[in-house]
Amino acid sequence: DTEVTQTPKHLVMGMTNKKSLKCEQHMGHRAMYWYKQKAKKPPELMFVYSYEKLSINESVPSRFSPECPNSSLLNLHLHALQPEDSALYLCASSQEGLSSGELFFGEGSRLTVL
Amino acid sequence: GQNIDQPTEMTATEGAIVQINCTYQTSGFNGLFWYQQHAGEAPTFLSYNVLDGLEEKGRFSSFLSRSKGYSYLLLKELQMKDSASYLCAVKDSNYQLIWGAGTKLIIKP
Repeated sequence: DTEVTQTPKHLVMGMTNKKSLKCEQHMGHRAMYWYKQKAKKPPELMFVYSYEKLSINESVPSRFSPECPNSSLLNLHLHALQPEDSALYLCASSQEGLSSGELFFGEGSRLTVL
Repeated sequence: GQNIDQPTEMTATEGAIVQINCTYQTSGFNGLFWYQQHAGEAPTFLSYNVLDGLEEKGRFSSFLSRSKGYSYLLLKELQMKDSASYLCAVKDSNYQLIWGAGTKLIIKP
């Protein structure tokens, strides 16, 4: 299994809603990442969990709240978002933490905030 | 500051060869990656270079010169499905990935 699975694939929410994005990998990878990507831009790192501990938080607003329940799961809780938060949210994993090689990306969750 | 430069857009013909260049200036170097991204989809890993030289993988090859801060991705026997954005990314001294803005490759019949 070489997949990173993200749900939902598409999400539309209002500015007062609370929703969550979910990510799962069963490759035994020890680092998991959330990226945000706007159209025609490269991915922008939001959070990194390494060995289930939050190791990087790139000054992301508190309306985004990550959670890593176990080494295979990563959630991103969303609350009181703004329309400018509409983007493709990508989850990724890597084998041994930040120092390891390639990132494996999920297909992304496309978020629209109305 | 950290900077990765790659052309914004390139056009090539089906069956031909194209070379996408990437130059970088980063605080430290722990490897250079090339990813392919089709519109609306996630990036997929193509290649990884950490030592100087050429890495070949089927129709795709990637070259690295650390002294010049330079890499290229070479795509041979181009197919229409190769139309995509190609992202160059470098791991810096903190092992964080610094991404280029991507090169949109358009393949014409």
